[in-house]
Amino acid sequence: NAGVTQTPKFQVLKTGQSMTLQCAQDMNHEYMSWYRQDPGMGLRLIHYSVGAGITDQGEVPNGYNVSRSTTEDFPLRLLSAAPSQTSVYFCASSPTGRTEAFFGQGTRLTVV
Amino acid sequence: RKEVEQDPGPFNVPEGATVAFNCTYSNSASQSFFWYRQDCRKEPKLLMSVYSSGNEDGRFTAQLNRASQYISLLIRDSKLSDSATYLCVVNVVGFQKLVFGTGTRLLVSP
Repeated sequence: NAGVTQTPKFQVLKTGQSMTLQCAQDMNHEYMSWYRQDPGMGLRLIHYSVGAGITDQGEVPNGYNVSRSTTEDFPLRLLSAAPSQTSVYFCASSPTGRTEAFFGQGTRLTVV
Repeated sequence: RKEVEQDPGPFNVPEGATVAFNCTYSNSASQSFFWYRQDCRKEPKLLMSVYSSGNEDGRFTAQLNRASQYISLLIRDSKLSDSATYLCVVNVVGFQKLVFGTGTRLLVSP
């Protein structure tokens, strides 16, 4: 049972580089979301999607883009990496935004 | 004021102890409540949902107090394997998103 799959698990970027974090789910969930987790800050919502073709901003969207062309995939793009984006990123999916969320294993990103 | 607030701990307890965590939420329109568990360097996983009448799952009991806007988690007969961070999670009616507390760390020692 794959659930939510995130790649890569670890990444080091140089300031100014761009990259895409991949997220895929096989549970046919309509709702998908991206969080970042920093010490003492808890999980903060970056972007979310309530279905294919629909995305919206969360609490900390600046510096990130998303798209949702299929139900299964919800990639997160860092446009120009900054040291402040050093964090652990989690992708999650759920039937709706009000129900239990299933998380991927996370991506540990370091921007130097 | 944060939407969801938790005591960060850590709570250090011996095996077999009973420990309780509280979590307060600021929006009275909150409608769904959960406790998640997160092990070190792992993803959060649902521990249990919290229902208005309170609910129990083995050694774990969750309570909701809407009047005072807090939820609680009680762990009885603590095990070493209960050592983790416990996240309080709330959804506000009309919003399609979950709001996470910063978590309470529990350390169970032999």
